[in-house]
Amino acid sequence: AQTVTQSQPEMSVQEAETVTLSCTYDTSESNYYLFWYKQPPSRQMILVIRQEAYKQQNATENRFSVNFQKAAKSFSLKISDSQLGDTAMYFCAFMAAYSGAGSYQLTFGKGTKLSVIP
Amino acid sequence: GAVVSQHPSWVICKSGTSVKIECRSLDFQATTMFWYRQFPKQSLMLMATSNEGSKATYEQGVEKDKFLINHASLTLSTLTVTSAHPEDSSFYICSARGRSMLYGYTFGSGTRLTVV
Repeated sequence: AQTVTQSQPEMSVQEAETVTLSCTYDTSESNYYLFWYKQPPSRQMILVIRQEAYKQQNATENRFSVNFQKAAKSFSLKISDSQLGDTAMYFCAFMAAYSGAGSYQLTFGKGTKLSVIP
Repeated sequence: GAVVSQHPSWVICKSGTSVKIECRSLDFQATTMFWYRQFPKQSLMLMATSNEGSKATYEQGVEKDKFLINHASLTLSTLTVTSAHPEDSSFYICSARGRSMLYGYTFGSGTRLTVV
């Protein structure tokens, strides 16, 4: 079974500053996907960024980037130039890329509540 | 992009009645649908996985007779909370996976169920 750990229940950052959210995971799988999802007060889950484990290059999406350390099983999210609209719960998620029982299920961390302060 | 429409967004029902929540994939075929329950300030808890045309697979501890899931077509999955009680009050979210993992999963906007 996979586990995802987010050790920061809450974080805050000043507007325009940079913040890093941490995530570690445990798995015996060799091929998998990692995701960061954002859940704003509306509670709509929004995909922020995705990383395939077989890709060494860290994924980036505009102001969002990840630091993927496969050997350390670490997948942190960096938000640059933080904006008020970034205020949300952020969930790290893992998905094993295999076909079988329980296939393609997302395993979520407990989340980090990020507040962007004006 | 892929869109999943979830209805209703909120519902209040009397104890003992049943409530149906629908999730529709609007512009793609959802081969697999996931149903989650989320308590306030907590993460998403997977309740069940449904594949089109087959019975849903429920997670341990989830009552399959209380939470009926139907995935009769590639674009529609429903969750029916039968004989609802106040402890079933929660936020329910569906998620759909298409044939390609290119965009991962698409989530519905959620349904807040309140049982009085």
